[in-house]
Amino acid sequence: QVQLVQSGAEMKKPGASMKVSCEAFGYTFSTYGLSWVRQAPGLGLEWMGRIDIYNANTNYAQRFQGRVTLTTDTASNTAHLHLRRLTSDDTAVYYCAREGYAGSEGAFDLWGQGTMVTVS
Amino acid sequence: QSVLTQPPSVSAAPGQKVTISCSGSSSNIGNHYVSWYQQLPGTAPKLLLYDNNKRPSGIPDRFSGSKSGTSATLVITGLQAGDEATYSCATWDSSPSAVVFGGGTKLTVL
Repeated sequence: QVQLVQSGAEMKKPGASMKVSCEAFGYTFSTYGLSWVRQAPGLGLEWMGRIDIYNANTNYAQRFQGRVTLTTDTASNTAHLHLRRLTSDDTAVYYCAREGYAGSEGAFDLWGQGTMVTVS
Repeated sequence: QSVLTQPPSVSAAPGQKVTISCSGSSSNIGNHYVSWYQQLPGTAPKLLLYDNNKRPSGIPDRFSGSKSGTSATLVITGLQAGDEATYSCATWDSSPSAVVFGGGTKLTVL
């Protein structure tokens, strides 16, 4: 079954770091790019950055530059989001999302189930 | 505050039609494709439309989209109770280089 499966919920202290994983099943992992999107409680979706799986090239949203790192492990079909220096404003559900259509930025056709990260 | 502007809420009766707007600028909607998402409470977003008006496999033709200038519109016809959800638009913004989303519109089926 084609799906993205994310790691479980986390509780973090302010100033700590978090790492969320996203494992792909049912398709050729390196064929598609992967973005990370987060959603704070009661708020809208916010794009954090993206990674090209085949060459590990990354683009980060300006507001996360210097604090976020996206990586990928093609041997295990897994992508990782690493976010440092956490504050309470980082409390959110974090999603990985597949970029299903080349040239259509913002068109994510497959999403992980989400990972709740609470910073307190 | 979201880069793309959507109405916070819309409502309509079952069987009726509803439109949801998404307003942006020349750096985003004006020069890039728009996507639309449906999000039920507690679940991940689901892609409804991409490239302004294309439907992924499995999305019924009750959902349609259009774009004009710096605005995009999602139209849902034949409303059903199961359409009650939050709908968000998304596109690329050239300045700064990022995917941007609307704040989301909560649809209530009366």
